[in-house]
Amino acid sequence: QQQVKQSPQSLIVQKGGISIINCAYENTAFDYFPWYQQFPGKGPALLIAIRPDVSEKKEGRFTISFNKSAKQFSLHIMDSQPGDSATYFCAPGYGQNFVFGPGTRLSVLP
Amino acid sequence: DSGVTQTPKHLITATGQRVTLRCSPRSGDLSVYWYQQSLDQGLQFLIQYYNGEERAKGNILERFSAQQFPDLHSELNLSSLELGDSALYFCASSVTGSNQPQHFGDGTRLSIL
Repeated sequence: QQQVKQSPQSLIVQKGGISIINCAYENTAFDYFPWYQQFPGKGPALLIAIRPDVSEKKEGRFTISFNKSAKQFSLHIMDSQPGDSATYFCAPGYGQNFVFGPGTRLSVLP
Repeated sequence: DSGVTQTPKHLITATGQRVTLRCSPRSGDLSVYWYQQSLDQGLQFLIQYYNGEERAKGNILERFSAQQFPDLHSELNLSSLELGDSALYFCASSVTGSNQPQHFGDGTRLSIL
């Protein structure tokens, strides 16, 4: 019930391309779906999050798409930049109960 | 800058020893979370405090303990250290005790020799 899976494990994208990272969860009690971004040597930083009452949320170049029936949500990074190279974690949960996925390492080539 | 301060940044010690990691939450945040990050286990939730009281407990070993003081800073105590305890330990904070961790510190890297 607490398992969270991310795909792919790693991703290489050319500058200007679209990066897509997926997160699958099992616990239907989850009601908050955030993505965190972590740069080497730093702690994770909350990037963008969505509630289940909407199917999509966009903030600048970052978009979350949510599919409640499939128990999946994804992060789309448009016009990917070398500065986006980082590890991305989904961390679905409810209340203060959040489960981090294993992470996806994104490399954006210049 | 997340506003969360963790000290020390690096800690090297030997098996069997005891260490204390310290965290000062972002100003105004009442809740503190502790996480362990290792290569094979990812980010594992250890424990959460809210305004001095334990709020939630995750995969925290009995050899580990934590507390949050009246000034809201928190300490994570790790004892009888084993090689497998080598990891990054992150502290995070949030305003309330019933939402996700919002602000992470840059972690303490613990190396057990």
